[in-house]
Amino acid sequence: RKEVEQDPGPFNVPEGATVAFNCTYSNSASQSFFWYRQDCRKEPKLLMSVYSSGNEDGRFTAQLNRASQYISLLIRDSKLSDSATYLCVVSVYGGATNKLIFGTGTLLAVQP
Amino acid sequence: DAGITQSPRYKITETGRQVTLMCHQTWSHSYMFWYRQDLGHGLRLIYYSAAADITDKGEVPDGYVVSRSKTENFPLTLESATRSQTSVYFCASRGHSEGELFFGEGSRLTVL
Repeated sequence: RKEVEQDPGPFNVPEGATVAFNCTYSNSASQSFFWYRQDCRKEPKLLMSVYSSGNEDGRFTAQLNRASQYISLLIRDSKLSDSATYLCVVSVYGGATNKLIFGTGTLLAVQP
Repeated sequence: DAGITQSPRYKITETGRQVTLMCHQTWSHSYMFWYRQDLGHGLRLIYYSAAADITDKGEVPDGYVVSRSKTENFPLTLESATRSQTSVYFCASRGHSEGELFFGEGSRLTVL
């Protein structure tokens, strides 16, 4: 079983739609959680951290459920520019430092 | 503001050849990482470094060698390239936030 699992999609949604991505992780000792965004043939970039109480950044809302080992990302009022792959990332302590474990990503395509 | 740069961006080589991928960062970040990204596997950690002259294995280190004689450089060497090492390689450095990795643009390696 992969440490971080995501639905690969693609999620095809019209502009203005609300879309949600889910992610599960297997290591209950995971400490911190993040969402990254990766545009086609580009490098990943940090989108937002995920806090236990849930957090919002503009149209993006991230939530964490430690009991179910589940992370979510909600995007409201989707824009064409939101089209990308969204990577769920979990931080696990190992060796000299925390390591980031990346999910395989969920592809979002926002249609005009 | 160069940030983090990788070279070469594209490389085609043959099985058995030695290949070195270069990574240079201008922020003086302590931690640096090498990941490979393959379809179906997502980003997998190859090696990381906590500081100059301190390196450690990640999830998939076999067939790779790293060094870090200076804080700003973290080269990755494939001593005898194999077809299974055909991949996109990303170098990253970590900023002040545990979850924020800054990635280079990637090096696309094809081993024939």
